[in-house]
Amino acid sequence: SQKIEQNSEALNIQEGKTATLTCNYTNYSPAYLQWYRQDPGRGPVFLLLIRENEKEKRKERLKVTFDTTLKQSLFHITASQPADSATYLCAPRGSSNTGKLIFGQGTTLQVKP
Amino acid sequence: ETGVTQSPTHLIKTRGQQVTLRCSSQSGHNTVSWYQQALGQGPQFIFQYYREEENGRGNFPPRFSGLQFPNYSSELNVNALELDDSALYLCASSLDPDRGYGYTFGSGTRLTVV
Repeated sequence: SQKIEQNSEALNIQEGKTATLTCNYTNYSPAYLQWYRQDPGRGPVFLLLIRENEKEKRKERLKVTFDTTLKQSLFHITASQPADSATYLCAPRGSSNTGKLIFGQGTTLQVKP
Repeated sequence: ETGVTQSPTHLIKTRGQQVTLRCSSQSGHNTVSWYQQALGQGPQFIFQYYREEENGRGNFPPRFSGLQFPNYSSELNVNALELDDSALYLCASSLDPDRGYGYTFGSGTRLTVV
């Protein structure tokens, strides 16, 4: 069955450093992959989408890579700030044609001042 | 744009009861999905509606059902509530997910079954 794995342990980094979060998927080939941010008690907020034919996507301090051979996406936040502290969810498109997303369990990022 | 709004924000029900959760999609979005999120987990896909028709369903029993209305608002109904149904229920709408548009999520309904 389709499986999504993200770092289960929280990631703690110092302000100003680059945070790198990992998303691995197995048993299928998603047409695209989305990343979301979720704050406690709130719904996820869409950040970036990367397609299978794209290697890298950038948006301000965010960068996402997509390696379809390794079946992995990396999510980078450069010059991290305490306001970046949140849970980040990886969501590859499901294998059916409905466009549904399959979410990983999320990685919690804590940026210390 | 008003975003996605869900109601109620919190709800407490007794095991065996039925519940209806409501969602107003973002203006112009004709696709709505519902997700269940347990504490510390990612959202789990329940089902999706496109133009009032269900076009995808996750691994949830038939007692989870839904509706999408002509104005693209939506309902999630859960019958015969079980304690394990306690979770955050999220509604999300999209303009065209097959073309890769992101989903806009509501803040969710926190359901507690006692």
